[in-house]
Amino acid sequence: GEDVEQSLFLSVREGDSSVINCTYTDSSSTYLYWYKQEPGAGLQLLTYIFSNMDMKQDQRLTVLLNKKDKHLSLRIADTQTGDSAIYFCAERRYNQGGKLIFGQGTELSVKP
Amino acid sequence: GAVVSQHPSRVICKSGTSVKIECRSLDFQATTMFWYRQFPKQSLMLMATSNEGSKATYEQGVEKDKFLINHASLTLSTLTVTSAHPEDSSFYICSARMWDRGNTEAFFGQGTRLTVV
Repeated sequence: GEDVEQSLFLSVREGDSSVINCTYTDSSSTYLYWYKQEPGAGLQLLTYIFSNMDMKQDQRLTVLLNKKDKHLSLRIADTQTGDSAIYFCAERRYNQGGKLIFGQGTELSVKP
Repeated sequence: GAVVSQHPSRVICKSGTSVKIECRSLDFQATTMFWYRQFPKQSLMLMATSNEGSKATYEQGVEKDKFLINHASLTLSTLTVTSAHPEDSSFYICSARMWDRGNTEAFFGQGTRLTVV
């Protein structure tokens, strides 16, 4: 289908790792992104990965890409209460003028 | 760097009036700006793509006469919701793509909450 899919909710305890999963649809997508949205705010770019990479690490964030299965994940190590937000994955569709297609967002809840 | 500013952050207007939302890239030149609409607890829906100096490209199902987009300079794009109705109430977000980073990254404004009464 056309959709980028994410699970809607994830709840973890402070200090644990969080893993947010995403499946995308377009094998021609060149870049895949993770954004964070706090209530009533815009989107903050967290990280992105080029499609010829398998993994990218940036401090507490690790992105894994399985291009064969069109599966993307974001791991947040040592999750903090300040990480509570909605996380969106997005694919940049090369064959559609490079526009971003977003998943429906995963609401991460971090309990103390 | 890479700040995108949207104004206003909140607006309430009467049904039938028009509302203009501004999107500015403060410290970079944006060849392309995007306008999204987000309903509560839902994803972002792309409304249109605007390139500086040319007409915007609207997504299927988006009325171009209702949602007027002007991209007059490399740092400013505006969205005007004309003859607003309560069903136009939503969260509108713009984003801008950086020319000098090979167009890889898109940065978002803080969004505008529009309420039509």
